[in-house]
Amino acid sequence: EAGVVQSPRYKIIEKKQPVAFWCNPISGHNTLYWYLQNLGQGPELLIRYENEEAVDDSQLPKDRFSAERLKGVDSTLKIQPAELGDSAVYLCASSQAGTTNTGELFFGEGSRLTVL
Amino acid sequence: AQSVTQLGSHVSVSEGALVLLRCNYSSSVPPYLFWYVQYPNQGLQLLLKYTTGATLVKGINGFEAEFKKSETSFHLTKPSAHMSDAAEYFCAVSVTAGKSTFGDGTTLTVKP
Repeated sequence: EAGVVQSPRYKIIEKKQPVAFWCNPISGHNTLYWYLQNLGQGPELLIRYENEEAVDDSQLPKDRFSAERLKGVDSTLKIQPAELGDSAVYLCASSQAGTTNTGELFFGEGSRLTVL
Repeated sequence: AQSVTQLGSHVSVSEGALVLLRCNYSSSVPPYLFWYVQYPNQGLQLLLKYTTGATLVKGINGFEAEFKKSETSFHLTKPSAHMSDAAEYFCAVSVTAGKSTFGDGTTLTVKP
C-alpha cells in the first residue's frame, strides 16, 4: 500500500514569490494534516481536514497561507508571498477517522522550502 | 491544554549500550502517547504507541516505552543500541483524536 506522497521534496524560491505543496494521503484516510517543522523543533499543526472540511485551521497564518482539499482526497498548501522565515519543512500526514483513530499519524517525507 | 517535554536535545551512546530517551507530558485527561522516529530527510515514522491497557508498550526495532501516570512520563528505551538507531526521536501526546502535540525531539547519536 502506498504511503503519504508529497511533492516537491525540495523547493528554493526568492522571497515574495509564491509556492505550493501537494499531498496525496493514504487511501481511505479521511483525515489530512499539514504540519510545519522548523529546524530543531517538532512538527506544529497548521491545518487539519476531515474529508474536504477544514476543522482546525487556528494555527494557519491566513494572511499568506492557504490550503484546500478538493473532493476530500489530495490537498494543496500555498504560501503567497513567501518570507524568509517560511524556510522549513512542510509535512503532510493522514489518519483514519472515527473510532479507529487513536491519533496515530502517517507522515509523508516532507517538502523542504528554502526562501532566499 | 496538552504539552510534551523531551529532556535532552542530544543523547549519545556507544553501540551496544542502553538507550534511554526521556519524555514527560502534561494533560488534563488520560492521553494517548506516541514515539516517532525521523531519519535524515524523511518524514516521521511511528515507533510505538500507548492508548489503553498494558503500560509497557513494545514497538519496532526493539524499542519499548512505559507509561507512568504518577510521573507523567513515557520514556523510550532499547537495551542495546545499534548504529542504525541514529536518528531524531519525537514524543507526542494526543487527548483528542486529531490533535497531537509533539516535543522538540531528541537526536540520538550512536558511537562505534
